[in-house]
Amino acid sequence: ETGVTQSPTHLIKTRGQQVTLRCSSQSGHNTVSWYQQALGQGPQFIFQYYREEENGRGNFPPRFSGLQFPNYSSELNVNALELDDSALYLCASSLGQPPGLSGELFFGEGSRLTVL
Amino acid sequence: AQSVTQLGSHVSVSEGALVLLRCNYSSSVPPYLFWYVQYPNQGLQLLLKYTSAATLVKGINGFEAEFKKSETSFHLTKPSAHMSDAAEYFCAVAVSNTGNQFYFGTGTSLTVIP
Repeated sequence: ETGVTQSPTHLIKTRGQQVTLRCSSQSGHNTVSWYQQALGQGPQFIFQYYREEENGRGNFPPRFSGLQFPNYSSELNVNALELDDSALYLCASSLGQPPGLSGELFFGEGSRLTVL
Repeated sequence: AQSVTQLGSHVSVSEGALVLLRCNYSSSVPPYLFWYVQYPNQGLQLLLKYTSAATLVKGINGFEAEFKKSETSFHLTKPSAHMSDAAEYFCAVAVSNTGNQFYFGTGTSLTVIP
């Protein structure tokens, strides 16, 4: 069984640039969630995709956007990067909707973004 | 609204001693509760979950947690700490009407002293 994989693992961008982070969900999972984890903080929900549709969004501005593909992999896009966007971005997959009923979130190891 | 409070951002215990990590939640509807562990430079791994079955939940690596509705708590315990338990621990809550969103606490860093 293949777990959740994320790429890239580390990247450095400058303020104002755009970034795309990628996630392959665990085999058989149809739901992908993205979380932002700032240094010393717990993960904060960005949004979730279920069967290629956005299905819930946290308190993040529209410059955070995403996609889910037919194979359930996903992308997180962030435009006009700000210094405060520096964080670990975690992708989590799960089966069914909502995760709270079907089980837990399975996390990847994250993409660490540094904005200079 | 849902939220999680983890009391104590840093906890130190001696090897072999009891581990107690505290978590209190706020939820207007019956919650689903989770404990996750994060090792350095890694993602989060599930330790255990409460989904309205037994109030005492056993997880991996000897950890367990008890759901106490009257106290709105879900504290994590382990009878005897091991060096390999040193990590960051996160409590999280999800509810059925917003079950697509997990709310995480700010985490507790556990140090195990040899």
